[in-house]
Amino acid sequence: KAGVTQTPRYLIKTRGQQVTLSCSPISGHRSVSWYQQTPGQGLQFLFEYFSETQRNKGNFPGRFSGRQFSNSRSEMNVSTLELGDSALYLCASTPGAFATNEKLFFGSGTQLSVL
Amino acid sequence: AQSVTQPDIHITVSEGASLELRCNYSYGATPYLFWYVQSPGQGLQLLLKYFSGDTLVQGIKGFEAEFKRSQSSFNLRKPSVHWSDAAEYFCAVGGGATNKLIFGTGTLLAVQP
Repeated sequence: KAGVTQTPRYLIKTRGQQVTLSCSPISGHRSVSWYQQTPGQGLQFLFEYFSETQRNKGNFPGRFSGRQFSNSRSEMNVSTLELGDSALYLCASTPGAFATNEKLFFGSGTQLSVL
Repeated sequence: AQSVTQPDIHITVSEGASLELRCNYSYGATPYLFWYVQSPGQGLQLLLKYFSGDTLVQGIKGFEAEFKRSQSSFNLRKPSVHWSDAAEYFCAVGGGATNKLIFGTGTLLAVQP
């Protein structure tokens, strides 16, 4: 079974641009979560989706948005990029709705650099 | 406020030595606790998790962790470290009807030959 797939692996953008990151969960997994990882900050929760519905959102500005499709694939979008958005963006999937009952399966991430 | 603290940013141990990584948490309800490991260029892999029951939890790769409610701690241990254990380790807490986890800032483990 293929793991969580994130594309692209690397991205370089300039300030003010927008970017879309993609995440394909493990086949059969219905829940997708997104995290931002930066040195010194660790992982910060962005949002989670289950059955195309956003169930929870972290403390990020409205420039960060996401969605989930009927096949459980998810995308996140960052508009008007800022230098501080440079980070590794990780996607994780679980079969059901609650990580407390299951473990998160993480992708390798998309490394975004904003110049 | 919910939070996880990993007080050690960087730890170096000799191969074959024992290891303890510290984790303290603050959580309003009964916590669900996790340890994840991240190797360079990779995503995170779950080492072990605690939900309830026996406070000493066994995980993969010979790791174990002990939940101490009185100290709000969930420290990770391994009796004998291997060079392949060099990685970054993250403690996380969650709970309730959500997949949201709160992660610590991580501890980077280096293993000396």
